[in-house]
Amino acid sequence: GAVVSQHPSRVICKSGTSVKIECRSLDFQATTMFWYRQFPKQSLMLMATSNEGSKATYEQGVEKDKFLINHASLTLSTLTVTSAHPEDSSFYICSASREVRDTNFGPGTRLTVL
Amino acid sequence: QKEVEQDPGPLSVPEGAIVSLNCTYSNSAFQYFMWYRQYSRKGPELLMYTYSSGNKEDGRFTAQVDKSSKYISLFIRDSQPSDSATYLCAMSESGGGADGLTFGKGTHLIIQP
Repeated sequence: GAVVSQHPSRVICKSGTSVKIECRSLDFQATTMFWYRQFPKQSLMLMATSNEGSKATYEQGVEKDKFLINHASLTLSTLTVTSAHPEDSSFYICSASREVRDTNFGPGTRLTVL
Repeated sequence: QKEVEQDPGPLSVPEGAIVSLNCTYSNSAFQYFMWYRQYSRKGPELLMYTYSSGNKEDGRFTAQVDKSSKYISLFIRDSQPSDSATYLCAMSESGGGADGLTFGKGTHLIIQP
């Protein structure tokens, strides 16, 4: 299955700052990658679909101006949390797959906003 | 009603027991069903994949899908303490990887030595 990496694994920032999270597909070229968010003891919730070379598709209720997604190459998607606030503190996970049967996830990024 | 329902637990069983984990769903368009295992503060790890109704076995793990009842199960035989984790069911309408997955809440499983 797809091998996915994320960086950083953990980040702590002050309220009002922006944080960039990288997601890389290591073993294949991913035209589509996905970003999820997971709050403590909650499920993974799909935030957006990252499409290489075009705009991301956001799920209902996710602010596109707050969560900027850039899929500049076939192996890299970035999620930028702009003007982060404490309520944005969460576990952010990306995924990539050739087909649904081999959907694999990155190790996740734990964001803490003070 | 949420699209996918899963009892969050915790579910605590003794080592060696058979574990049964379940999810129900409401979207009849789901055709692809996955089970993931997630350890604390880690990304989910794919365990089992099933297309449409039926059973699939892989070692100590068996996945069952009953589309008529909109009910899926994961059985773990001869459970080990290392199986202690959160198990998430996930579903998709399409198999091409172009759609994101819809997850259950996850069941926290504890295997007691």
